[in-house]
Amino acid sequence: QQQVKQSPQSLIVQKGGISIINCAYENTAFDYFPWYQQFPGKGPALLIAIRPDVSEKKEGRFTISFNKSAKQFSLHIMDSQPGDSATYFCAADYGGSQGNLIFGKGTKLSVKP
Amino acid sequence: DAGVIQSPRHEVTEMGQEVTLRCKPISGHDYLFWYRQTMMRGLELLIYFNNNVPIDDSGMPEDRFSAKMPNASFSTLKIQPSEPRDSAVYFCANTSPGANVLTFGAGSRLTVL
Repeated sequence: QQQVKQSPQSLIVQKGGISIINCAYENTAFDYFPWYQQFPGKGPALLIAIRPDVSEKKEGRFTISFNKSAKQFSLHIMDSQPGDSATYFCAADYGGSQGNLIFGKGTKLSVKP
Repeated sequence: DAGVIQSPRHEVTEMGQEVTLRCKPISGHDYLFWYRQTMMRGLELLIYFNNNVPIDDSGMPEDRFSAKMPNASFSTLKIQPSEPRDSAVYFCANTSPGANVLTFGAGSRLTVL
């Protein structure tokens, strides 16, 4: 079965630190790699996404790094803030799937003040 | 637009009872997905529809689960009879044609005693 493996399961970071969450995938047909952010009691929401034709994408404090040869991608949160405390899901998709994403199991991030 | 609206937000029921979860998708978004979220298994796709037609129901765990989309503005997920292992948060999500972005509802938290 197609899988996206995500680590760590949970992460505690001090305010101002860097949070790093890693994902690995198997299917080389995947061509879209989003990250979703979920706050308690809410549904996941798209945070940032990348396609494999670039190695990095940055939006504010959030950066995706992508390594196509290793079939890995990661989310970096710079200057982590308590408001970033949430569960983060990586996902993968391929052209034509119309949103049928394969999700990782999630990382619960806690940013301590 | 109010986004994807789910009801009920919380449901507590006893084993053997029928459960019906409801979803009002975003107008004009042709793809509708039902996901289940648990700590153990993360986000699992149960079924998805395109233009009210079920496309892939391979994620539906058992015959006890059924989903319908009688029109573009309403979908239901029914569990009959319910079991304690069905306890989870159930999400409804939308994408629009040609887009990979999933817009989730706030979820329905089901507890089966």
